[in-house]
Amino acid sequence: DTEVTQTPKHLVMGMTNKKSLKCEQHMGHRAMYWYKQKAKKPPELMFVYSYEKLSINESVPSRFSPECPNSSLLNLHLHALQPEDSALYLCASSQAPGTKTYGYTFGSGTRLTVV
Amino acid sequence: QKEVEQNSGPLSVPEGAIASLNCTYSDRGSQSFFWYRQYSGKSPELIMFIYSNGDKEDGRFTAQLNKASQYVSLLIRDSQPSDSATYLCAVNSDSARQLTFGSGTQLTVLP
Repeated sequence: DTEVTQTPKHLVMGMTNKKSLKCEQHMGHRAMYWYKQKAKKPPELMFVYSYEKLSINESVPSRFSPECPNSSLLNLHLHALQPEDSALYLCASSQAPGTKTYGYTFGSGTRLTVV
Repeated sequence: QKEVEQNSGPLSVPEGAIASLNCTYSDRGSQSFFWYRQYSGKSPELIMFIYSNGDKEDGRFTAQLNKASQYVSLLIRDSQPSDSATYLCAVNSDSARQLTFGSGTQLTVLP
């Protein structure tokens, strides 16, 4: 079992819907990440939270809104998405950026389909 | 120029053979190097990491790092069909303060 838990595992939403993806980790990690992955492509970084503060936003459209309520939780709020936003959304966590042991632990992902 | 490059494959090897996966990177300040395995439809799973020049072995997996040549490789000995997956190379540099992923190499181990 992964130590990073993502819910839901699958989500189908219409273009006018509002939904949220959730991520939780209990490894004491202080950095958390959202990635988007399209089929046969590598993960593409969206957001980085370090010590619960947004440190990197990779020019993601405003229809994606991240939130980090505390050091264990990370949300991604979705609104007015487009069909091309359909993808696997991955949450990951790691020790704080800058430390040498910087491998990420990924959650199992949310398979999002926008219709 | 991509920061982390991998041969996209597909790479096919017979069962029991050694699979060799290669990765090159452009940032000389990179310090930590990771190999992730990703099965189709699943999330990436960390299988190896290496920080120092040379070899690091863990079971059937060996990671090799050559910082002077800026490459890192993964060898899988006695390959099994269950090793069939996409292998992602990831590199950490302090300047980027994040992992940078290569595009992945698809490996197929033929029974």
